[in-house]
Amino acid sequence: AQKVTQAQTEISVVEKEDVTLDCVYETRDTTYYLFWYKQPPSGELVFLIRRNSFDEQNEISGRYSWNFQKSTSSFNFTITASQVVDSAVYFCALSEAPGNTGNQFYFGTGTSLTVIP
Amino acid sequence: KAGVTQTPRYLIKTRGQQVTLSCSPISGHRSVSWYQQTPGQGLQFLFEYFSETQRNKGNFPGRFSGRQFSNSRSEMNVSTLELGDSALYLCASSPAWGSTEAFFGQGTRLTVV
Repeated sequence: AQKVTQAQTEISVVEKEDVTLDCVYETRDTTYYLFWYKQPPSGELVFLIRRNSFDEQNEISGRYSWNFQKSTSSFNFTITASQVVDSAVYFCALSEAPGNTGNQFYFGTGTSLTVIP
Repeated sequence: KAGVTQTPRYLIKTRGQQVTLSCSPISGHRSVSWYQQTPGQGLQFLFEYFSETQRNKGNFPGRFSGRQFSNSRSEMNVSTLELGDSALYLCASSPAWGSTEAFFGQGTRLTVV
């Protein structure tokens, strides 16, 4: 069965601190994709990153970085030097073998991040 | 390039009524998926349309239905509304079936009273 777990419900950090959001997933497929989305109060899910199951290289984009480890089925997201604008709910998601299930995403329950000025 | 447009942004309906929500995908995108977001259940997949055909469906009752038009715009309909249908309904636009790219709209906030 497919499952995405974000154990951290809420996190508060002081501005400029680093913060890591955890994501653990379950799937039986060997081909799958992992995503992170940001949801600000406006409601829209903003795409941050997509990673396929064959690419375990870590990725850095500005203050954002992602650590993908198949051995532990984790895809963690780190924000370096957090800013108030980073305050939002962050979702990790899984999409399996697109040819079978199209674009169906399985989302975690989200982590609400508050950055205190 | 315009993003995903969902209308209306907010709706208040009474139990037993029906409602239709609209989603216009990104120009050139042909796949539209719908998700329901509630505090209790989180984000759940409703269905996906591609080339005017429903290609995949989540675990929701038959009161939830949808369709896609030849211009890729999609509508979803909920009949006989229940209080539990109160949610944020999000639409995702993808270039094609199985593309793994998905861009979301701002959603329609439905309140059933």
